[in-house]
Amino acid sequence: GESVGLHLPTLSVQEGDNSIINCAYSNSASDYFIWYKQESGKGPQFIIDIRSNMDKRQGQRVTVLLNKTVKHLSLQIAATQPGDSAVYFCAENAGGTSYGKLTFGQGTILTVHP
Amino acid sequence: ETGVTQTPRHLVMGMTNKKSLKCEQHLGHNAMYWYKQSAKKPLELMFVYSLEERVENNSVPSRFSPECPNSSHLFLHLHTLQPEDSALYLCASSLSVTQETQYFGPGTRLLVL
Repeated sequence: GESVGLHLPTLSVQEGDNSIINCAYSNSASDYFIWYKQESGKGPQFIIDIRSNMDKRQGQRVTVLLNKTVKHLSLQIAATQPGDSAVYFCAENAGGTSYGKLTFGQGTILTVHP
Repeated sequence: ETGVTQTPRHLVMGMTNKKSLKCEQHLGHNAMYWYKQSAKKPLELMFVYSLEERVENNSVPSRFSPECPNSSHLFLHLHTLQPEDSALYLCASSLSVTQETQYFGPGTRLLVL
């Protein structure tokens, strides 16, 4: 079946560095993508989203890039801070009659060292 | 963070017990969801409700029984669970089922003995 997967299960960076978390998706019909952050003991927290008619979208310290040609999604975090340490999930929605069905990737663990 | 609340936060139950998980959203949303999050597995969608009507049942065993009395509240009734049902159960809501941005609660950590 269709799935969303992540290239790197773990990522360790130094405080102040930029972080890049990658996600591959296989459903070419997906028209909406979203990144979540999940800290220990908490539920997933919305970070940023992007629609398939866009290549790039920026938020506060975060940027999402979408490459539909190779079905690749990335989350860039600028000036990473220890508080950014968490599991990051990408998710996709195939739209149409998929009733808000988000398909989630397995997650990448980001660890930020002071 | 307080837009979607879940109680209890932790629950330990035996296989013969009956318990219920509660979710409440304060966002004025019309769609609510139940997810299961197990270790080292992606989030699994269980149920979707739109305006109190169930629109999705993702092949979930009947020992899980959802209830949505109104658009702000969602319950998950549990009975005769198995140890493999131990997981984090997450509730989410969105403006509607066609508005994809879902906002999650903190989850209920369930342990079945």
